[in-house]
Amino acid sequence: GAGVSQSPSNKVTEKGKDVELRCDPISGHTALYWYRQSLGQGLEFLIYFQGNSAPDKSGLPSDRFSAERTGGSVSTLTIQRTQQEDSAVYLCASGRGSPNEKLFFGSGTQLSVL
Amino acid sequence: QKEVEQDPGPLSVPEGAIVSLNCTYSNSAFQYFMWYRQYSRKGPELLMYTYSSGNKEDGRFTAQVDKSSKYISLFIRDSQPSDSATYLCATPPSGSARQLTFGSGTQLTVLP
Repeated sequence: GAGVSQSPSNKVTEKGKDVELRCDPISGHTALYWYRQSLGQGLEFLIYFQGNSAPDKSGLPSDRFSAERTGGSVSTLTIQRTQQEDSAVYLCASGRGSPNEKLFFGSGTQLSVL
Repeated sequence: QKEVEQDPGPLSVPEGAIVSLNCTYSNSAFQYFMWYRQYSRKGPELLMYTYSSGNKEDGRFTAQVDKSSKYISLFIRDSQPSDSATYLCATPPSGSARQLTFGSGTQLTVLP
């Protein structure tokens, strides 16, 4: 594709519900990152996938958060039992998997938990 | 201590002004630094990167690294309303991490 695609662009949910956020990386990119951006805050790293290696989950804030990447392409970030503090923009980025590489970001999913 | 700290802003300047955006970092081993620009409701995009100390210039933008003080700067000359965005500095992975670490971002508004 032309760029990293994320869906939905906006998601409003009720506290306690589960949500799934999707990311379609650039074709051929082996590295995929999820970041979270809260209002007025920087990008908080969540999880990193590289090829077939085990993902780096060190940034996930709680066990309510999980992510998978199927077939080395599309990734889904799942948040279970959402809380109001989960409200943020969730950004996905992809790259070729080289050190210090340029990352290509999607436009993000704005999640609002009521 | 955060690995990278950034002036929070927001910053508002008149068109044509010179803008200075700044970050400090904690790890003296860092050699590579990036600046990302993020327009409203968009994801960040790489604007510039610098390696080691010194300046790097690209059109109206200059990135500067001062390793002695662990200070990185982005200068924008002849600022334009189209430069209005949030600017994020980023430092490279350290230790076993593979992800960039981003500053909190400075929101810049250039007034016409």
